[in-house]
Amino acid sequence: GGIITQTPKFLIGQEGQKLTLKCQQNFNHDTMYWYRQDSGKGLRLIYYSITENDLQKGDLSEGYDASREKKSSFSLTVTSAQKNEMAVFLCASSPNTEVFFGKGTRLTVV
Amino acid sequence: GQQVQQSPTSLVLQEGENAELQCNFSTSLNSMQWFYQRPGGSLISVFYNPSGTKQSGRLTSTTVIKERRSSLHISSSQITDSGTYLCAMVMNNNAGAKLTFGGGTRLTVRP
Repeated sequence: GGIITQTPKFLIGQEGQKLTLKCQQNFNHDTMYWYRQDSGKGLRLIYYSITENDLQKGDLSEGYDASREKKSSFSLTVTSAQKNEMAVFLCASSPNTEVFFGKGTRLTVV
Repeated sequence: GQQVQQSPTSLVLQEGENAELQCNFSTSLNSMQWFYQRPGGSLISVFYNPSGTKQSGRLTSTTVIKERRSSLHISSSQITDSGTYLCAMVMNNNAGAKLTFGGGTRLTVRP
């Protein structure tokens, strides 16, 4: 078995701030994902990556950057946090079949 | 319109009753996956089901890919089954496996 570790678990930022979320997986999976979950809006794909140094935009990529520095890690940057923004960011990985999720980073912007 | 439609959106059961959750897809898909989520919790994979029927304890998933639908049956529901059940369509191509989620079914099981 393996695990997906997301850090931090909770993130409080200020309006306009640049914020970085990190994700590590030890499954040795090729593909990694960042999803955003808003209350009442379900999950939306921000970015995904099929291999080291690859980036593919999802439906919600505007306002975000991502980086796949190595196979096991995938980071997401909120380029300018929006005031009163609240959401959970979920990292996932897959061997291109079943998808496994981390426990999430809960973002609050004040 | 939405690519993944789940029904019902919410469901309340008495402990011991059975539940049938539905997922319909508007486009062709390679596979699908069911997830369970407690409030504030992470997504736990329940079934990855490209086709046919899979069972795990009191849970059974049936996927008919040609008809673009999948169901999740919960038998003899327990209070601990309460939470949100999400289905997702899986599309595989040269750019990896990509999931598109439905809106979820919120299940409440009462004693």
